[in-house]
Amino acid sequence: GIQVEQSPPDLILQEGANSTLRCNFSDSVNNLQWFHQNPWGQLINLFYIPSGTKQNGRLSATTVATERYSLLYISSSQTTDSGVYFCAVGSGNTPLVFGKGTRLSVIA
Amino acid sequence: SQTIHQWPATLVQPVGSPLSLECTVEGTSNPNLYWYRQAAGRGLQLLFYSVGIGQISSEVPQNLSASRPQDRQFILSSKKLLLSDSGFYLCAWNLGSAYGYTFGSGTRLTVV
Repeated sequence: GIQVEQSPPDLILQEGANSTLRCNFSDSVNNLQWFHQNPWGQLINLFYIPSGTKQNGRLSATTVATERYSLLYISSSQTTDSGVYFCAVGSGNTPLVFGKGTRLSVIA
Repeated sequence: SQTIHQWPATLVQPVGSPLSLECTVEGTSNPNLYWYRQAAGRGLQLLFYSVGIGQISSEVPQNLSASRPQDRQFILSSKKLLLSDSGFYLCAWNLGSAYGYTFGSGTRLTVV
């Protein structure tokens, strides 16, 4: 099956700093999503981005499908950005396979 | 608008007891439905998914089972819980591979 690797596994930032999270996947996909899991466990869908670039406020994401990676950018980080960020991919109609996540801690 | 409900939020069960977790979706028809489990640590493991009533695909053979008795209802069950069944169980839905997933708020299960 598809393998998903996320880096870094852990990240500590000062409030206001920028960061880039990376997701590498082992096979071609037609579905790629980024999620944020807050400290209470709720998973929030950030982007559906099998290719191209999208932006939503301070967050943006880019997927280069031909090179099998995706990047999530967080600018001007805030303490509320803390949590775990997951990349998940799928091909055809198969369910999403999740990476192990990047745990982000933003310190005031 | 579409919403997903998952209950209970927290559950503590003794080893060997049965389990029933329920997930329902409102505001849409014929959704794809998924059960994931998140053990200590952070990875999400797919347990079951369903593309229609009575259609269940299992990813991990174990003492858990799933059923979809109605279009927007997905149930996760066990006849006898094991300690290793402890974890955070998440239900999700979407309308196909071109759509994002929406997750429920999850059930934290502790088997003692």
